[in-house]
Amino acid sequence: QKEVEQNSGPLSVPEGAIASLNCTYSDRGSQSFFWYRQYSGKSPELIMSIYSNGDKEDGRFTAQLNKASQYVSLLIRDSQPSDSATYLCAVIDSSASKIIFGSGTRLSIRP
Amino acid sequence: DAGITQSPRHKVTETGTPVTLRCHQTENHRYMYWYRQDPGHGLRLIHYSYGVKDTDKGEVSDGYSVSRSKTEDFLLTLESATSSQTSVYFCAISESRTGSGNTIYFGEGSWLTVV
Repeated sequence: QKEVEQNSGPLSVPEGAIASLNCTYSDRGSQSFFWYRQYSGKSPELIMSIYSNGDKEDGRFTAQLNKASQYVSLLIRDSQPSDSATYLCAVIDSSASKIIFGSGTRLSIRP
Repeated sequence: DAGITQSPRHKVTETGTPVTLRCHQTENHRYMYWYRQDPGHGLRLIHYSYGVKDTDKGEVSDGYSVSRSKTEDFLLTLESATSSQTSVYFCAISESRTGSGNTIYFGEGSWLTVV
């Protein structure tokens, strides 16, 4: 069973600080990785994708991928109350047949 | 926002009744998916379609059927609803297979309660 694991949280971070969200995956052959943000009662929204080892930055968001250690992380700089949401990690499996989602980490930004 | 519309958005139904959820897209994407989302389980794939009349099962397909008679419409049917099918259902679309690195985009969700 291919798995994507995330700490369910809640992760509480003060406003203006860096929020760090982590995800591990079991399928070593996975090649494509995504972060989705989901507000309560809403649908998941794609915020980042990453395919190569290293960092990828987009505004306040940085995705980090380490295939050797099988983890992917998301850093949110200068956290804002509007960043409070559940963040879903998603991985495309090595057979390239499907996308597997983690259960999500609930992030709360406190003023 | 991707042009994906789900209907109904909210429904309460009784155990044993049939229920159909509709997903309509205006993006002309080839692939369409139905997921359910439950606390502690995340998003789980029910069925997906890779073209008109071409469908396949996901990881939690028991009790569900799908049909796709047009590129833009993908229907999910619960033949005889059970309380375990109370969930939020998300339709999603992608331009090509997920393995190509292309990702998927979600509709607004349909909240289904089976009583």
